[in-house]
Amino acid sequence: GQQLNQSPQSMFIQEGEDVSMNCTSSSIFNTWLWYKQDPGEGPVLLIALYKAGELTSNGRLTAQFGITRKDSFLNISASIPSDVGIYFCAGQLRSGAGSYQLTFGKGTKLSVIP
Amino acid sequence: SQTIHQWPATLVQPVGSPLSLECTVEGTSNPNLYWYRQAAGRGLQLLFYSVGIGQISSEVPQNLSASRPQDRQFILSSKKLLLSDSGFYLCAYSGNTIYFGEGSWLTVV
Repeated sequence: GQQLNQSPQSMFIQEGEDVSMNCTSSSIFNTWLWYKQDPGEGPVLLIALYKAGELTSNGRLTAQFGITRKDSFLNISASIPSDVGIYFCAGQLRSGAGSYQLTFGKGTKLSVIP
Repeated sequence: SQTIHQWPATLVQPVGSPLSLECTVEGTSNPNLYWYRQAAGRGLQLLFYSVGIGQISSEVPQNLSASRPQDRQFILSSKKLLLSDSGFYLCAYSGNTIYFGEGSWLTVV
């Protein structure tokens, strides 16, 4: 089955530092997604990447869809305390039945020290 | 705009009791709907998905079932809960990608 390797598992950084996390897969995906989850809440979509090689920014967030369609990274610049949470990558395929199949990484837990 | 709601947000149920978690989507028609389960704050596992009314696909064998009685309503159920059913359950719908509800914490005691 498809698997996503997300790293690092956890990070402790100083406020103001930049953050980088990545995901790799043994399989190709059509879309790469990055979600953030705050404690006790559902994941919120941060960035969606639809084309191989695509580089997309959303405020202080930047993500890229690897050329091989098997990897992606997420960068957060100038981290702030509210960046704390768990970040998930997900690879998405659309099935023949029309539903989307997501494969999730195990998450990167980010802690920001003020 | 599209929104998704699920309830209850938290639930404590005794072993052997029934379960019903509800999810509704607004602002879209004929969405694909999903139930995920998340253990220990990580690792989302797809339980069920539905491409239309009455159409349910199960991804993993388990003690739970799902139903879609209306186009924008998705229900997760169990006749008799097990301790191992405890966890964080997430409803989701797909537009151009998948969007999640707020989640429901289930504790089986």
